[in-house]
Amino acid sequence: QVQLVQSGAEVKKPGASVKVSCKASGNTFISFALHWVRQAPGQRLEWMGWITAGNNHTKYSQKFQGRVTITRDTSASTTYMELSSLRYEDTALYYCAGGLAGHFWGQGTLVTVSS
Amino acid sequence: DIVMTQSPDSLAVSLGERATINCKSSQSVFYSAYNKYSLAWYQQKPGHPPKLLIYWASTRESGVPDRFSGSGSETDFTLTISSLQAEDVAVYYCQQYSNTPFTFGQGTRLEIK
Repeated sequence: QVQLVQSGAEVKKPGASVKVSCKASGNTFISFALHWVRQAPGQRLEWMGWITAGNNHTKYSQKFQGRVTITRDTSASTTYMELSSLRYEDTALYYCAGGLAGHFWGQGTLVTVSS
Repeated sequence: DIVMTQSPDSLAVSLGERATINCKSSQSVFYSAYNKYSLAWYQQKPGHPPKLLIYWASTRESGVPDRFSGSGSETDFTLTISSLQAEDVAVYYCQQYSNTPFTFGQGTRLEIK
């Protein structure tokens, strides 16, 4: 069983960047794909991108292309999502989720964009 | 992008009765590499991340009660709760993972009548 633990809440100004981490524990020798999904207040879940198992290939939603970067530090069992040029509408809960379908999820990281 | 549309937006069902939630995709979500339909169902309760209930359209995740079942093919899918329990009050989402971006439905809010 794998558990995902995310970094803490962040408050950022418009135009800044945020980097959220997602650390895996448990059966971390299992290689798995990892997605980043966000949920703005009262909105549906929104898939941002993923990093695949094995070859660490990344794919991003066109909506976030150029602003989001997903990286993985295999030695630290940690995956990162960095979102740049933050806007007020990026205020949301950001989740990491593992597996081709989201079999296991982090607890969520609240990112607030405020001046 | 594949658009996922759920119906209804909200649903009230009596305890012990059947609840049915529908999900329609704008194109087939058949994943040829796995020869399966790449459709997942999640349950989300307030203050919690989504929980996977069903994947490959009809495969129940380990530990999920057997009152939850998934069915469907091509573009039309259904989540059925055979006998509603109080703990099933939540928002339910479908998601396709056949083509990126892996889009979600808008959610269906399930309540007790």
